[in-house]
Amino acid sequence: KAGVTQTPRYLIKTRGQQVTLSCSPISGHRSVSWYQQTPGQGLQFLFEYFSETQRNKGNFPGRFSGRQFSNSRSEMNVSTLELGDSALYLCASSLSRANTGELFFGEGSRLTVL
Amino acid sequence: AQKITQTQPGMFVQEKEAVTLDCTYDTSDPSYGLFWYKQPSSGEMIFLIYQGSYDQQNATEGRYSLNFQKARKSANLVISASQLGDSAMYFCAMREITYTGGFKTIFGAGTRLFVKA
Repeated sequence: KAGVTQTPRYLIKTRGQQVTLSCSPISGHRSVSWYQQTPGQGLQFLFEYFSETQRNKGNFPGRFSGRQFSNSRSEMNVSTLELGDSALYLCASSLSRANTGELFFGEGSRLTVL
Repeated sequence: AQKITQTQPGMFVQEKEAVTLDCTYDTSDPSYGLFWYKQPSSGEMIFLIYQGSYDQQNATEGRYSLNFQKARKSANLVISASQLGDSAMYFCAMREITYTGGFKTIFGAGTRLFVKA
């Protein structure tokens, strides 16, 4: 069974540009969530999607957006990149939407903003 | 507001010994799930163990056990018989439903475990 797949794995952008990251969840998982991981802030929750609807959003500016498609694949977009957006972006999928639902993570997309 | 606290930035343990990683949490919701994840230097996050807020017994998964003390809002991870491959970052996490009907998992700052040969 394939795991969570994130693309691209590494990317370098310059300030002001925008970036789109992709996540394919484990087959059958309809819940997808995104996290930003930095050395200073740790793991910060970005969004959660279920059935193509954003169900929850973290405390991030409007430059961070996302969506989920009918096949449960998800994308997140960051516009007008800032140096502080450099981070590892992790996508996770979950089979259960209950409190029991452990997250299955992808390997992440490492974004460097110059 | 929900919060997860891990007070040990780094821990050392001798191979084959047991180690306890501390985690306290704060929530006003009676229904929640507690998790531990491991992140090796390669970067991927690996689920280790789960404890539900209504579970009466402590969870165990192989060499991992979760010491759940609900009144103290504590969910410590115990790793028995440490192995060199246990060297990694460990995150305590809590998952609960939000007022929007969505689910949110929040993470502690993590504890870096070093296993010495």
